[in-house]
Amino acid sequence: DIVMTQSPDSLAVSLGERATINCKSSQSVLYSSNNKNYLAWYQQKPGQPPKLLIYWASTRESGVPDRFSGSGSGTDFTLTISSLQAEDVAVYYCQQYYSTRALTFGGGTKVEIK
Amino acid sequence: EVQLVESGGVVVQPGGSLRLSCAASGFTFDDYAMHWVRQAPGKGLEWVSLISWDGGSTYYADSVKGRFTISRDNSKNSLYLQMNSLRAEDTALYYCAKDNGGDCYFDYWGQGTLVTVSS
Repeated sequence: DIVMTQSPDSLAVSLGERATINCKSSQSVLYSSNNKNYLAWYQQKPGQPPKLLIYWASTRESGVPDRFSGSGSGTDFTLTISSLQAEDVAVYYCQQYYSTRALTFGGGTKVEIK
Repeated sequence: EVQLVESGGVVVQPGGSLRLSCAASGFTFDDYAMHWVRQAPGKGLEWVSLISWDGGSTYYADSVKGRFTISRDNSKNSLYLQMNSLRAEDTALYYCAKDNGGDCYFDYWGQGTLVTVSS
């Protein structure tokens, strides 16, 4: 199975500052035939189910604020919150869907306000 | 509006069985693959199983293979997870999740149903 490793486990960021979360896959999730990275990001607030933020590594889901952005390719990916808001306090997960018979998530990164 | 409502979670003894259900609405159910994803208390997300739009193809995480069976009834817009030989490590909140449309990421999630395996 493809192992997804997120870092850091948690981070505290001041309101209005940038938050950066990293996700590394144990093998490339870039499909060469279509040049797409099979990587999604989710946000999970306390007591709620996860919510899709980004897919194809950098495409924002409809309705997601543009302060959220995804980047990276191959095995290394980043979720950036450009200006942290109070409502962004949550745990963030990456997920690979390159291996559709064995979908895997990263361990999660908890974002808090400093 | 897409809605996914899970049910069936209870406290069950190790070795026991349970069937979870997920009622779907707000989209054409039989156009989409569906998934179960679980989350142990205080832990991260773990994909459990996938079923194709017509039920013809199913896939499972190694941790549940041979013990869990995913199924669907498109006439009832419902998804199911039959869970046998339950273990303490199966204790989790089980989410029903809608596939985006063939790529295997999850665009809608239910609120989850809690399964506790304990004697």
